[in-house]
Amino acid sequence: SAVISQKPSRDICQRGTSLTIQCQVDSQVTMMFWYRQQPGQSLTLIATANQGSEATYESGFVIDKFPISRPNLTFSTLTVSNMSPEDSSIYLCSVGTANQPQHFGDGTRLSIL
Amino acid sequence: QKEVEQNSGPLSVPEGAIASLNCTYSDRVSQSFFWYRQYSGKSPELIMSIYSNGDKEDGRFTAQLNKASQYVSLLIRDSQPSDSATYLCAVNLDTGGFKTIFGAGTRLFVKA
Repeated sequence: SAVISQKPSRDICQRGTSLTIQCQVDSQVTMMFWYRQQPGQSLTLIATANQGSEATYESGFVIDKFPISRPNLTFSTLTVSNMSPEDSSIYLCSVGTANQPQHFGDGTRLSIL
Repeated sequence: QKEVEQNSGPLSVPEGAIASLNCTYSDRVSQSFFWYRQYSGKSPELIMSIYSNGDKEDGRFTAQLNKASQYVSLLIRDSQPSDSATYLCAVNLDTGGFKTIFGAGTRLFVKA
């Protein structure tokens, strides 16, 4: 399975600032996914990122708050903009296909003060 | 109705017992089903994939799928304290493309 590297692994940020999370995959993949896991909760899909097209956002998530880039088949970024304490979560990058499971990076643990 | 539903637990079983975890899903055309284990502070890791009705066994783990009932389960035999974790059921939904939806997870405690 693909090896997925995320960075930063954790960060503590001030409210009102923005943070960009990077996700690097060791092989070319068509689809990359960004999930959020709030404390004590399950995984919620934020958006699907395909190379060469706009990301597809799930209900409750908007591009202005969570802009995503997908410049090539091995890399994606998620920016958490204008952060508030409610954005404190683990953000996970994953890759998968329609008939295969998702494989996750180690995640980015984000705390907003 | 949630797309993927699990009993959040916690489920507590003694060491050596069978742990039974259940999941129901709402999308009748789903074809791919997964069980993940997540330890506290770690990312989810895949335990089992199942795609057709019936049972699939891998070591101490057995996944069961019943598409008519829209039901998937995971049995853990000879439970060990190291199995204590949150177990996530996941389903791939056909959206033209696809997306993977996770249940809320069931917390399992195996008592030594």
